[in-house]
Amino acid sequence: DAGVTQSPTHLIKTRGQQVTLRCSPKSGHDTVSWYQQALGQGPQFIFQYYEEEERQRGNFPDRFSGHQFPNYSSELNVNALLLGDSALYLCASSLRLAGISSYEQYFGPGTRLTVT
Amino acid sequence: AQKVTQAQTEISVVEKEDVTLDCVYETRDTTYYLFWYKQPPSGELVFLIRRNSFDEQNEISGRYSWNFQKSTSSFNFTITASQVVVSAVYVCALSEAQGSGGGADGLTFGKGTHLIIQP
Repeated sequence: DAGVTQSPTHLIKTRGQQVTLRCSPKSGHDTVSWYQQALGQGPQFIFQYYEEEERQRGNFPDRFSGHQFPNYSSELNVNALLLGDSALYLCASSLRLAGISSYEQYFGPGTRLTVT
Repeated sequence: AQKVTQAQTEISVVEKEDVTLDCVYETRDTTYYLFWYKQPPSGELVFLIRRNSFDEQNEISGRYSWNFQKSTSSFNFTITASQVVVSAVYVCALSEAQGSGGGADGLTFGKGTHLIIQP
């Protein structure tokens, strides 16, 4: 049973560039959430995707955007990178089917983004 | 707005001692979920427990136990007879239930407590 996978593991970008991070949910899951974790801080919720639509969004600027594909995998895009975007980006998957909800979110290993 | 506070940034105890990690939360909702995750140095968050707001029963799993008290908005985590292998960052989180369609809101996390178990 494959867990949540993320790619790449590490990434180094320059200020002003754009980056795309990828996530494949745990087998059987249909909902993907993205979190940003700065050093020494707890993860912060960016947004959640279900049925290929953004369902909920945290307090992040429009530079952060996402996409969910028909196979439930997801991408996180960040434009115009700032030094402050350096962080561990975590993807979490969960299951939400009509009438059945699972509140456990299973996390991937994360992508460590460094902006120089 | 939701908020989770873990006032203990770092705790260091000697192996076999008991240790309690504190978690205090704020929410306006009557239906919500509380979680504890373990985060080893690799970064991946490992799910430990979920508790919903209607169930205040304490839970024990081996050396781990959780004490949920709505009266004090706390969801504390105790490790009994700690072992070096449980050293990690432990993060408490809160999720409010979405109004329709089921599913959970994005999690609101505390900053985490770095637990160090010394041999």
